[in-house]
Amino acid sequence: NAGVTQTPKFQVLKTGQSMTLQCAQDMNHNSMYWYRQDPGMGLRLIYYSASEGTTDKGEVPNGYNVSRLNKREFSLRLESAAPSQTSVYFCAILQGGPDTQYFGPGTRLTVL
Amino acid sequence: AQSVTQLDSHVSVSEGTPVLLRCNYSSSYSPSLFWYVQHPNKGLQLLLKYTSAATLVKGINGFEAEFKKSETSFHLTKPSAHMSDAAEYFCVVSSNTGNQFYFGTGTSLTVIP
Repeated sequence: NAGVTQTPKFQVLKTGQSMTLQCAQDMNHNSMYWYRQDPGMGLRLIYYSASEGTTDKGEVPNGYNVSRLNKREFSLRLESAAPSQTSVYFCAILQGGPDTQYFGPGTRLTVL
Repeated sequence: AQSVTQLDSHVSVSEGTPVLLRCNYSSSYSPSLFWYVQHPNKGLQLLLKYTSAATLVKGINGFEAEFKKSETSFHLTKPSAHMSDAAEYFCVVSSNTGNQFYFGTGTSLTVIP
């Protein structure tokens, strides 16, 4: 997980509240990703960003927005949290030579 | 389209016995394949990766995996399980562009003392 940080580590929200999950990297990589992990389902891609200022939807984007304002940071926003968004969220970067993902430590989110 | 199937959701082995975690993939091209490990309440750590070089890939902590194109498999093995190997293991396949990745649903490994 060295080089990829996520904040916060834990968060509890009430239904309808909003929040932003932050991810930052110190390795100067172009591509960054947001996944959610749910029991028995592996990791599913929410959004990814191939470079600063660009974002693309993944498998499960509904209910989320992302922002990549600079190369270092990629944030995930929940505008109106729902219990179905209770999950563990992982940020990842793509390191080349050959392309391999490295993950942050995760954010455990509970929506009541 | 590419996909990954991990054939066992749970595997239980005795300490000191071999480990076999099975993974089959579906892809219309030659993909890169990965195994990640996740210990309880931790993030994901890369165990090993296959990227069209040698078909037998050695990873960390004594794990290895063999890419078998004819069987579309990438099974993970270890000769002798250790208590510290107890974790969740994920098999992952890359997209044809190499910038997206598809995860299996995971295999939970239990090691019995």
